[in-house]
Amino acid sequence: AQRVTQPEKLLSVFKGAPVELKCNYSYSGSPELFWYVQYSRQRLQLLLRHISRESIKGFTADLNKGETSFHLKKPFAQEEDSAMYYCAFQSGSARQLTFGSGTQLTVLP
Amino acid sequence: NAGVTQTPKFQVLKTGQSMTLQCAQDMNHEYMSWYRQDPGMGLRLIHYSVGAGITDQGEVPNGYNVSRSTTEDFPLRLLSAAPSQTSVYFCASSIQGIGEKLFFGSGTQLSVL
Repeated sequence: AQRVTQPEKLLSVFKGAPVELKCNYSYSGSPELFWYVQYSRQRLQLLLRHISRESIKGFTADLNKGETSFHLKKPFAQEEDSAMYYCAFQSGSARQLTFGSGTQLTVLP
Repeated sequence: NAGVTQTPKFQVLKTGQSMTLQCAQDMNHEYMSWYRQDPGMGLRLIHYSVGAGITDQGEVPNGYNVSRSTTEDFPLRLLSAAPSQTSVYFCASSIQGIGEKLFFGSGTQLSVL
């Protein structure tokens, strides 16, 4: 079965430090990968998707098919980045989006 | 434009009771889905629909029923609530399918005693 793994439940970094949230998937084909974010008292929302190759709020994520990873990175973390981050995965023509277990990021002042 | 609206926001049930969680969207989205969010387990798909009259099971469908009689509405029914169904439930929709951006509701926190 296709799976997506986020190995860190909790991650704390200091403001201004680089941050990397890890996401690994198990699938031999070409997946669709996404990062969703849930800020405190807000709805879950799309942060970015690999097909768009975009940078949102300073975050980027590169699909590494060799390592089957889609890590989320930001060079200089801000306090407002504190949130729960979910990696999500869709395989081929599947109509289901599979979410990882999430990483709670805390950016300390 | 309200987006995705879920009601109620909170609900407490006794074991064996039934209830329906409501979800409505006003964006004319074809795709709608229900997830449950549990600590340490992320979001798990319960049921989804690719259009009116079409529904399918997700990862954890047992104990839940859905129907899609209109494009706008996608209710989730618990026929006989169990403590294992204590969770936060999210409804989400997108224009056509999963590859598109999902819009989420604000969630329903359900406790089954």
